[in-house]
Amino acid sequence: DTAVSQTPKYLVTQMGNDKSIKCEQNLGHDTMYWYKQDSKKFLKIMFSYNNKELIINETVPNRFSPKSPDKAHLNLHINSLELGDSAVYFCASSQPGPSRWEQYFGPGTRLTVT
Amino acid sequence: GENVEQHPSTLSVQEGDSAVIKCTYSDSASNYFPWYKQELGKGPQLIIDIRSNVGEKKDQRIAVTLNKTAKHFSLHITETQPEDSAVYFCAAVDSLDSNYQLIWGAGTKLIIKP
Repeated sequence: DTAVSQTPKYLVTQMGNDKSIKCEQNLGHDTMYWYKQDSKKFLKIMFSYNNKELIINETVPNRFSPKSPDKAHLNLHINSLELGDSAVYFCASSQPGPSRWEQYFGPGTRLTVT
Repeated sequence: GENVEQHPSTLSVQEGDSAVIKCTYSDSASNYFPWYKQELGKGPQLIIDIRSNVGEKKDQRIAVTLNKTAKHFSLHITETQPEDSAVYFCAAVDSLDSNYQLIWGAGTKLIIKP
């Protein structure tokens, strides 16, 4: 059974377009995250949601907006895509409390902006 | 805030030999240090972690050591096998951050030579 899933796995689009990446977890976790991994493999947290409330909002452009319809889903919407947005985006989830740092990652979405 | 440095960026070892990856952190109050393994085309996966109240933890061929005085921790892999080839990330908890987010190292690409 898939724990954290993301769609699509690959996304190729042109500058200026708007796109969304979907994430779902079936682990029953209360907290979900979005990470960006650049070409040098550096991981940077973008957002975190706990019970549908944003609890971390790093200094990302407001073109990026997370949306959580329920605690099992956290989607990432990106407006006016730029070349620098090209990266692999990972969704992750964790339980609150002492296990909150044990994060479970999805397979990633490779976004290429041309 | 917390800062985590990871070395080396690339490590190549002969199959069967040991591999050691080192990380240093800046926040002396950090108290949780996980290691994640990222295989090609997949998301990172937690492989071992250590809390500040212990100096060493082992799990089969993998061990992590922590030196709180020197503020560094290391991942040790013995009897390396081809499936150990991956990118490894260390992380630390920023206790000054009210959201207790993980601060990640830059990653180490481990190559196991046959």
